Formats: sequence, C-alpha cells, structure tokens
Amino acid sequence: GAGVSQSPRYKVAKRGQDVALRCDPISGHVSLFWYQQALGQGPEFLTYFQNEAQLDKSGLPSDRFFAERPEGSVSTLKIQRTQQEDSAVYLCASSPPGGVEKLFFGSGTQLSVL
Amino acid sequence: RKEVEQDPGPFNVPEGATVAFNCTYSNSASQSFFWYRQDCRKEPKLLMSVYSSGNEDGRFTAQLNRASQYISLLIRDSKLSDSATYLCVVRFQGGKLIFGQGTELSVKP
Repeated sequence: GAGVSQSPRYKVAKRGQDVALRCDPISGHVSLFWYQQALGQGPEFLTYFQNEAQLDKSGLPSDRFFAERPEGSVSTLKIQRTQQEDSAVYLCASSPPGGVEKLFFGSGTQLSVL
Repeated sequence: RKEVEQDPGPFNVPEGATVAFNCTYSNSASQSFFWYRQDCRKEPKLLMSVYSSGNEDGRFTAQLNRASQYISLLIRDSKLSDSATYLCVVRFQGGKLIFGQGTELSVKP
C-alpha cells in the first residue's frame, strides 16, 4: 500500500544548476499534479497530467520549468538554471480514475537554491 | 486578484469555541469545491468536499454559495487537535485544482 513517493526529500542546489525532481504516484492513479509551496503560503498550481498527456501547464512560472510523464506513471519536474526564488517545497499529488477530487500528496521535495 | 482567496489568519481560539473560515473564488464556471487540512511541515489532506446543499461531517460544516462564489467552513467545539492550516480548494474547468493561501488555526487550552 505505497503512497505517493517523491525524491529526493531535500535538494540543495547552487544558483544556475539544473535539478530534477521525481514523483512516483500511487499505482493506477490517472491524474498527477505538481504544486510549488513557499513558506507560509498555500500550494501554487504548476501543471497537471492525465495519463501521459499534460493537460494544463499554465502555472509553470517560466520556461526554465518543464514537467513530463512519458509513460503515464512516474513524473519528473525539471528546473533549469535554478534561481533563489525557486526555493520552495515541490509537492506532487495523484488521484484515481473518477476521483480527481481527492488528491493524495507525497511528502514533497524541499529545494533550497543558494 | 488570486483565483481563490481566503480569510487572512491566524485565528487563535480557546478550546470549545466555534470558528468559521471563508473563501471566495473568481471563476463562476468552477465545478467542485473542497477543504483540505495541512499540519505543520506535512502534506495537505482532504478534510471534506463541499456540496451545493451544504454538508456536515461531525463538528465540521461546509457551505457553498454559487451566486456569491463563496465557500465556508465552520468548526464547532474546537479541539487542540484542530490546530492546523485550512486550505480552500476549487476545481476549475479543465480539471486543475487551485488552492487558496490557507488560514492558520491555533486552538489554545
């Protein structure tokens, strides 16, 4: 009964470095969401997939952010040329078919850009 | 203007108090509404869905007013364990789920 798994749990990057954050959703979950959460704020929508299709990427803050889910399961959020303002917790959530309302979140990746 | 806005916090209340949180959303075509709870340094978890007729789950009551684009959450008989951040969530057309900024609740003995 594994839940949503995210790795790494913590990531420290130097400004300008590229990072890749991984999300392994619950098996069989069709929808997958990425959120960015700064300290003291609510999760900010980044992008969302249904199976391998990226249905909405309107929340990605710049073209340095890219997400993929090539086989409709594991997803990767990539941030190129990281900046200090990218420091945040990145949350991944998945939901089962017909149950998009209930999101199951992973523990998040805390990214610190120095 | 943010798509989903919540009351600013924090709310500091004594045990046993009744507390209400409000939330407004910008898109009248929004389809579904929820309240999530987030404990400090933890991931958000679904507290309850919000139905058009209003719904109750124990000490928690959720209301939706589509005409005013407004959602509320009422907590009766607050417990220490209710201390958390409460997040209003709206599902927009196209399927994306948008969170409000959250309202922090602190219940004191």
